[in-house]
Amino acid sequence: AQSVTQPDIHITVSEGASLELRCNYSYGATPYLFWYVQSPGQGLQLLLKYFSGDTLVQGIKGFEAEFKRSQSSFNLRKPSVHWSDAAEYFCAVTLGAGSYQLTFGKGTKLSVIP
Amino acid sequence: NAGVTQTPKFRILKIGQSMTLQCAQDMNHNYMYWYRQDPGMGLKLIYYSVGAGITDKGEVPNGYNVSRSTTEDFPLRLELAAPSQTSVYFCASSFATGTSGNEQFFGPGTRLTVL
Repeated sequence: AQSVTQPDIHITVSEGASLELRCNYSYGATPYLFWYVQSPGQGLQLLLKYFSGDTLVQGIKGFEAEFKRSQSSFNLRKPSVHWSDAAEYFCAVTLGAGSYQLTFGKGTKLSVIP
Repeated sequence: NAGVTQTPKFRILKIGQSMTLQCAQDMNHNYMYWYRQDPGMGLKLIYYSVGAGITDKGEVPNGYNVSRSTTEDFPLRLELAAPSQTSVYFCASSFATGTSGNEQFFGPGTRLTVL
């Protein structure tokens, strides 16, 4: 069965600092990969997705993620964090085209120090 | 275009009571889903539907029921509420085809407490 691991439960960064959130998946083939963000008391919003092609994908709010097949990773990055980025971030994986199932990691909570 | 809507936003139930969580989408998506979110556990799939009249169990279906009579609506029913069902419930929808990546769109959630 596929699985998603987000090793960091909670990360704290200073405003203006760079950010990297880690995500590793376990699956034999190349899955479809997603990053979602959840602000407090809100639903999940899609930040970016990777299906195929260029392994560096750009998303909304200045986020990007890089797919590394050799490391089974899909880490999320942002060069300069803003206080409004404080939220919980979820990495998710689906098996492929037409698959219904989206497997989520347990999330990483980001706190931003002014 | 409202996207995915859920009602109610909050609800407190007593043990043994029943209720229905409502979910609707106006994007003509074929797939719809119900998840529950517990602290530190991410999202777990309860039930999903691939189209009107077709539903199937997800990872944690016990204690819940669903129906899908129309493309737009996908209500979740709790028959005998238990404290273990205290959670935040999210409905989602997607347009999954043979070439799409199943990007799911989420509603704002329903926070349910069972006392």
